[in-house]
Amino acid sequence: EAQVTQNPRYLITVTGKKLTVTCSQNMNHEYMSWYRQDPGLGLRQIYYSMNVEVTDKGDVPEGYKVSRKEKRNFPLILESPSPNQTSLYFCASSARVSPRTGNTIYFGEGSWLTVV
Amino acid sequence: SQKIEQNSEALNIQEGKTATLTCNYTNYSPAYLQWYRQDPGRGPVFLLLIRENEKEKRKERLKVTFDTTLKQSLFHITASQPADSATYLCALDSSGGYQKVTFGIGTKLQVIP
Repeated sequence: EAQVTQNPRYLITVTGKKLTVTCSQNMNHEYMSWYRQDPGLGLRQIYYSMNVEVTDKGDVPEGYKVSRKEKRNFPLILESPSPNQTSLYFCASSARVSPRTGNTIYFGEGSWLTVV
Repeated sequence: SQKIEQNSEALNIQEGKTATLTCNYTNYSPAYLQWYRQDPGRGPVFLLLIRENEKEKRKERLKVTFDTTLKQSLFHITASQPADSATYLCALDSSGGYQKVTFGIGTKLQVIP
């Protein structure tokens, strides 16, 4: 079954304590992204990766890091979490853009993160 | 700046009627427009994609139109059912060769039995 799997699904942490949210996809997709979703603001892209070792900033990258050492994995790292990073996070993947599919995106189930 | 507008207010509709959701955009020239469904606390799920040179696309009870002159897409669900209740997201894809899809805030649809 085609899947984007992210962990943990729920996490409460304290300000300043480094954390990593893992993401893995089994569809051999080149593109992977991280989004955060906040009430009234919708989905906003944090970082994206076009392929292994190729990453770039999205719209709201401050306070986050990513890495893409393997094609299937794209972890999101919060080096020093702050309360304004409390949000619902989604990992996503898509195949290389084609005229037929455009950028059809497959999302994970989401990770609820609370920073106190 | 680029902007996508969807009705932020919830849309309530009687079961069996046709639901119509609107997506307007400005300062954008998308090559594709997509619609996603999102249930509470879950990840968005892809529904339909329409290209800039297409006027209409259908899939079962779903229909999407795309008017690049008006800069608007309409998303229709015919014979709506309570199970169609969800938030529907419009997404614009410039397909500049990288994964840059911009999402609207979504419209919450409630189908009343």
